[in-house]
Amino acid sequence: DTAVSQTPKYLVTQMGNDKSIKCEQNLGHDTMYWYKQDSKKFLKIMFSYNNKELIINETVPNRFSPKSPDKAHLNLHINSLELGDSAVYFCASSPYSVSGNTIYFGEGSWLTVV
Amino acid sequence: GENVEQHPSTLSVQEGDSAVIKCTYSDSASNYFPWYKQELGKRPQLIIDIRSNVGEKKDQRIAVTLNKTAKHFSLHITETQPEDSAVYFCAAPFSGGYNKLIFGAGTRLAVHP
Repeated sequence: DTAVSQTPKYLVTQMGNDKSIKCEQNLGHDTMYWYKQDSKKFLKIMFSYNNKELIINETVPNRFSPKSPDKAHLNLHINSLELGDSAVYFCASSPYSVSGNTIYFGEGSWLTVV
Repeated sequence: GENVEQHPSTLSVQEGDSAVIKCTYSDSASNYFPWYKQELGKRPQLIIDIRSNVGEKKDQRIAVTLNKTAKHFSLHITETQPEDSAVYFCAAPFSGGYNKLIFGAGTRLAVHP
C-alpha cells in the first residue's frame, strides 16, 4: 500500500564505495525527485524527472547519477562515496505541475559513510 | 534568487498555547505554499497548503495565512498538544516551469505537558 517506497532504508558503507538507492511510486505521478536532508535537517532538492526526462539538476557532484527507467521508478547511484555524503536521501513524487503542487515523500534512506 | 527564510528555528511552548511559524520567500511568481511536518525519524508529510488566490486556510487546529504583497506566509497551531512536537517546514515553488519546491530551514517545535 506504500505510496512512495525506497530501498534500502539504512545503508552503512565505507568511503570510496559505490552504492545505489532505489525508489518506486504507485501514485500514478509523472514527476519524481531526490532530496537530501543533512544533519541540520536542511531539505535540499537534488534532481527531478518528469516522465523519465531529467528536468531539474541542481549543483550536485557528478558522482551522483540519477536514472529513471520509467515514470514510476527513480534510482540514485553514488560513486566514490565520501564522508560528506552521509545524510538521509528522500525520494518523492508529485503530479506534473508548472505552478506548484504537493510532493509526497518516501520514508527515506539513511546513508552513513565511514 | 531562490530563497525561503523560516523563523524561528526553535520554538518551545506549553501544552494548550498557540504556536506561530513564519516564512518569507523571494520569488514573486510563487503561488503555492505548503507546510510539512516531520516527526523524529519519519518522512516530511504535508499538513496544510495554500494557494495565492486565498489569504487564509484553516483545518481544525492549524491555519495558514498568506500575504502576497509582503511575500510571507505563516503557520498557526492553536491548543498545542505534545504530539504536535516535530520539525515543521515551509516551502515555495520557484519559477522555471517545474514543481521545484524550495524548503525553509525548518522549525523545531517542542510542546511541553
